[in-house]
Parts: sequence; structure tokens; C-alpha cells
Amino acid sequence: QKEVEQNSGPLSVPEGAIASLNCTYSDRGSQSFFWYRQYSGKSPELIMSIYSNGDKEDGRFTAQLNKASQYVSLLIRDSQPSDSATYLCAGVRYNFNKFYFGSGTKLNVKP
Amino acid sequence: EAQVTQNPRYLITVTGKKLTVTCSQNMNHEYMSWYRQDPGLGLRQIYYSMNVEVTDKGDVPEGYKVSRKEKRNFPLILESPSPNQTSLYFCASSLSASPSDTQYFGPGTRLTVL
Repeated sequence: QKEVEQNSGPLSVPEGAIASLNCTYSDRGSQSFFWYRQYSGKSPELIMSIYSNGDKEDGRFTAQLNKASQYVSLLIRDSQPSDSATYLCAGVRYNFNKFYFGSGTKLNVKP
Repeated sequence: EAQVTQNPRYLITVTGKKLTVTCSQNMNHEYMSWYRQDPGLGLRQIYYSMNVEVTDKGDVPEGYKVSRKEKRNFPLILESPSPNQTSLYFCASSLSASPSDTQYFGPGTRLTVL
């Protein structure tokens, strides 16, 4: 079983809609989680990090963490075509300093 | 400009021919890491370094070596490359491994081993 699992997609949403990306993890010792965006042929770039249960909002992005269910999600409000990319979920167990990435979910936002 | 650089960006080589991929950062970061990215498998951590002379294995270290003699550089060495090491490689750095510190990724090195 992979440490971090994501649905590979593609997830297609119309412009202006809410895109919901999900991620589950197997290691209850994982303490912090990250969402990265990766455009085709480019390197990943950090969107948000979250380490407490609940929601964390940053502009159009909201990350949600539920440690009891071992579930992380990213909501993108008012989706734009420029949001079309692959979104990577990652977790880290801080004292081990290792990062585990999911395989990514491809998001297509249609104009 | 703050950045992580990798060289070369593209490399085609043959089985068994030793190669080194360089990684350098100019942000005085302590934590550096190497990942490989393969279709369907996502990013997998190969090695990481907490600071100079401190390195440790990630998820897939077999067939790779690293060294951290200077804070800014973290080269990835393939002593005897094999075709299953054909992949896209990323170097990354951050101030520390703390969740509050952003990991910055280099542009990637696409390696093909024939």
C-alpha cells in the first residue's frame, strides 16, 4: 500500500466551478501535508501546507485535513483554465524528515 | 534570483557508465533532497540531507549515491546506471524539513539509460 494515494483523474470541471481533489494516507504518524501544483513539463510548486485538523484557506484554495479518517483534500473555488495541471499531495512525518508524494490528480478546467 | 539549479537538464547515456547530476541552491537552505518522478508512481524520494555531511536514505535509494560536502551543493551519483533508472529527476531544497518551510524544486533532469 502506498503511503499517499490519489485518484489519477483526469478530473474535469467547467470554468467557475469548484474543483475538489482528494488524498488518503496510510501512516498515522504523518503529521503534515502539502498540496503541490505541477504544470506539464515543469517542476512542482507548493500551493498550501496543512498540519492541523480542519480547514485552511488561502485565496481561492482551501485545504482540509481529517486525521481520524486519514484524509486530505484541496478545494479550488472559481476554477480557471490556468488551474489545469496535475496536483500532488504529499505527507511528512516530521521527525523522520522523509516526504511521501501521491501519484497526482490531473485537473482539466474547461472554458 | 533565489533558485535551485540542476545540470544537465537532459542526458542520454548507456548502461554502466557512471554519471553525476549536479544540484545547487543559492538560498542557504539546510535541507536538500532528490526525487525521481515516473508515470503512475508520482514523486519518490531517493535521498535527503539535513545539512552538510548529513545524508539519509529516502524511499528508493538503491543504485544511487549522494554527498553533501558544501551547503549549497547536493550531487546525485549513479555509479552504474541501468535502464530502470530512466526517469525525471528533481532536486529540492528548503530551509529545514519543518512543515512550515517551503520546498523549492529545481527544473528537473530527464535521464535516459539505454
